[in-house]
Amino acid sequence: DVKVTQSSRYLVKRTGEKVFLECVQDMDHENMFWYRQDPGLGLRLIYFSYDVKMKEKGDIPEGYSVSREKKERFSLILESASTNQTSMYLCASTPAGGSLGEQFFGPGTRLTVL
Amino acid sequence: GENVEQHPSTLSVQEGDSAVIKCTYSDSASNYFPWYKQELGKRPQLIIDIRSNVGEKKDQRIAVTLNKTAKHFSLHITETQPEDSAVYFCAASQGGYQKVTFGTGTKLQVIP
Repeated sequence: DVKVTQSSRYLVKRTGEKVFLECVQDMDHENMFWYRQDPGLGLRLIYFSYDVKMKEKGDIPEGYSVSREKKERFSLILESASTNQTSMYLCASTPAGGSLGEQFFGPGTRLTVL
Repeated sequence: GENVEQHPSTLSVQEGDSAVIKCTYSDSASNYFPWYKQELGKRPQLIIDIRSNVGEKKDQRIAVTLNKTAKHFSLHITETQPEDSAVYFCAASQGGYQKVTFGTGTKLQVIP
C-alpha cells in the first residue's frame, strides 16, 4: 500500500509565524505535489516537484515556498503566515510518468492562522 | 493555462437513481482526465480515469465519457447507493511533466 503521511492533522499558528508542513511518501515516488483545498474552490495546486531539488510553481504559489532535499520528503513553507492561508493542505505523490496516473494523497493538514 | 469547470456543485438523488456530473476544460492539449472521490474527512481517491484516445470507460456502476471536440467529460453513476455520497472532483492534464488541474467539486448526496 502506498502511504503518504503529513506531519500534522491540525495546526494553529499566529499571523507572521513561519510554518512548515511536511509530507513523506514511502513508495519511492518521483513526483510530489502540494494543494490547498477550500470550499467551493476545489483543489488548487501550490507547487510540485518531479525530482529531488527540483520545484515548479503551480497555480497559487504566492506566499509559499517548498523544499525537496530527499526523494521521499516534500516540505511546504509559509514564510510569514497570514489569515488568508487558513485552509486544508493536501500533499500527493505519483510514481514516474509525470502527471499521468493516480495521485496518492496524504490525510491533509488543517491549518488555522489566527 | 488550463481551466476546468465542474457542474453541478451539489446534487441530490434518490437511492437507485443515476447521477451525472459534468466537466469542461479549456486546453485542447489535455489528454488525461481522472475523477476523484472524497468522503467526509478522508483523502481524495481515484475512482476512474480516461485518456484522450478513448471515448468511454466503464467500471461496474461508474462510467466516464469524453467528447474531445466539445472539450467536455462526464461521470455517470448508476444505481446509486448511500455510500456513493461524497465530493467528486474531475481533473485534466496534458500528461508528462505538466500539472493536473482540478474542478471545484460536486457534493453528491444519495438519499436512502
